[in-house]
Order: sequence, then C-alpha cells, then structure tokens
Amino acid sequence: AQTVTQSQPEMSVQEAETVTLSCTYDTSESDYYLFWYKQPPSRQMILVIRQEAYKQQNATENRFSVNFQKAAKSFSLKISDSQLGDAAMYFCAYNKRGKLSFGAGTTVTVRA
Amino acid sequence: GAVVSQHPSWVICKSGTSVKIECRSLDFQATTMFWYRQFPKQSLMLMATSNEGSKATYEQGVEKDKFLINHASLTLSTLTVTSAHPEDSSFYICSAQERGNDNEQFFGPGTRLTVL
Repeated sequence: AQTVTQSQPEMSVQEAETVTLSCTYDTSESDYYLFWYKQPPSRQMILVIRQEAYKQQNATENRFSVNFQKAAKSFSLKISDSQLGDAAMYFCAYNKRGKLSFGAGTTVTVRA
Repeated sequence: GAVVSQHPSWVICKSGTSVKIECRSLDFQATTMFWYRQFPKQSLMLMATSNEGSKATYEQGVEKDKFLINHASLTLSTLTVTSAHPEDSSFYICSAQERGNDNEQFFGPGTRLTVL
C-alpha cells in the first residue's frame, strides 16, 4: 500500500515571498507518478504540477517547482513569488496504476 | 479540454431518502471514473472505482449497498446514496481518466450533500 504524508497542516507566507510544502511517501514501486493539487475555497481540485518517477529532472510550472528526491521518497513543492490567489489547501498525491493516494493536505495562507 | 462536470452542485434531502449524483466527462471518453468523499478540512478519501460496463470496485469500509455506483457509458457515472442519513452529509467529488491514460485524473467540481 502507498501512504503519503504531509507533515505541515498549515503554512503562512508573505505575498511575493517563497514557501515550501513538504511531502513524503512510501512505496516499493520504481515507476509511478507524483502530483501536487490545489484546492481553493471553491473546492475544485486543480492540478499544479506532476512528476514522473523515472525522470530525474525536477518538474517546474511557472512559479511552482518541485524537489523530487526518489531515494528519500520526498516530493516537496516550492511556490515562488507567492500571490493572494495561491491561498488554498494543497494536496500531495501518489499515482500507481491509475489510483491516487492523497496526503492530509497543507493549508496555505498568503499575507498581503 | 478534459472537463468533468457534476450535477447537482448542492443537494439537501431528508433522512431516509435517496440521492443521485451525476458525473460526466464532457469532451473525452472516460473508461474509468472515481468517487471520493471529503469532510471539511480533510483529505479526499477514495470510495470506489468504476469502469465503464462493469461493476464498481469499492474501497474497504465503503458500503456498496448504500453507495450505488453505475458507469453505464463512457461519459457518465452516477453515485446514488440510498437511505441517506445525516452522517452521509459530505462533499462528494468524482474524477475521470481518459482512455489510454491512467496517469492523470480530471476532477469534477464536487457535490455538497446535506441530509436533514
């Protein structure tokens, strides 16, 4: 079974600053996908970034980037130049053969 | 592309009645759909996986007779909460996978169920 751990229930960041959300996971597989999803107050799940485990290069999407450490089973998300619209709950997720396992989530607040 | 809709977005029902929630993939064929349940400020919990034309696979602890799932076409899956009780009140989210791509799920906007 796969488990995903997000150890930070809440994080606060000043507008324009950087915040890093941590995620660790447990698996015995070598080929899998990892995701970060954003859930704003509307509760619509939005894909932020995706990482394929066999790719060593860290994924980047505009202001969002990950630090993927496969051996350590760590998958952190960095939000740079934080904006008010980044305020949301963020979920780390592991995908193997189509099924997603989610972490408990981290609520990010952005201070103006 | 890859849009998933849910209907209704919010439903209130009386205890003991049944409620049906629809999940539709609008611009792609979804061979697999998933149903999740989410309580406030908590994570998404997978309830069941449905494949078009076959019976749904339920996660451990989910009552299949209470949460009836039907995936009759490549664009529609339904979740029926039978004999709903207040403890069934929650936010229900569906997601869909496109044929040939099980590496990504596209999420619907969710349905808020309140049972009085």
